[in-house]
Amino acid sequence: QKEVEQNSGPLSVPEGAIASLNCTYSDRGSQSFFWYRQYSGKSPELIMFIYSNGDKEDGRFTAQLNKASQYVSLLIRDSQPSDSATYLCAVKLEGTYKYIFGTGTRLKVLA
Amino acid sequence: EAGVVQSPRYKIIEKKQPVAFWCNPISGHNTLYWYLQNLGQGPELLIRYENEEAVDDSQLPKDRFSAERLKGVDSTLKIQPAELGDSAVYLCASSLDFSVPAPYTYEQYFGPGTRLTVT
Repeated sequence: QKEVEQNSGPLSVPEGAIASLNCTYSDRGSQSFFWYRQYSGKSPELIMFIYSNGDKEDGRFTAQLNKASQYVSLLIRDSQPSDSATYLCAVKLEGTYKYIFGTGTRLKVLA
Repeated sequence: EAGVVQSPRYKIIEKKQPVAFWCNPISGHNTLYWYLQNLGQGPELLIRYENEEAVDDSQLPKDRFSAERLKGVDSTLKIQPAELGDSAVYLCASSLDFSVPAPYTYEQYFGPGTRLTVT
């Protein structure tokens, strides 16, 4: 059973701080990783994807991938109350077009 | 460009009744997914289409669920008869055809979902 694990939270950070969200996965061959943001009552919204080891930056968001450790993270700089949501990590299984989602980490940014 | 469209947004039915959900993917996206999401959980794949072919339906409860994607564009997911445990959000997502040459993009984009309540 391929798994994607996330801490369910809630992760509480003060406004302006860096929020760090973590995800581990079991399929060692996976090459494609995604972060989705999901507001309460809304559908998941793709915010970042990463395919290569290292960091990928997009505005206030940075995705970090370490395939050796089977670990992917999302950093949100200068966190805003509007960033309060559940963040889902998704992994595309190697050799398939199947995506496995974690259960999500709930982030609360305190004003 | 329009995103993934789903309807209805909300549906309340009594158990044992049939229900159908409709999805129109992003234009040009040949791959379409139906997911189920329970509260506090991530989306779980029900079925994936490449054009009109269902290429992964291993998680679809075939005794009561069915899906179709005629002409490789719109798709319909049906439940008959519905059970109390089917109450959830049904999400449709789409992505580019994986046979498209590099640069590959494997990103999925979700529709707004249909929240089903079975009473």
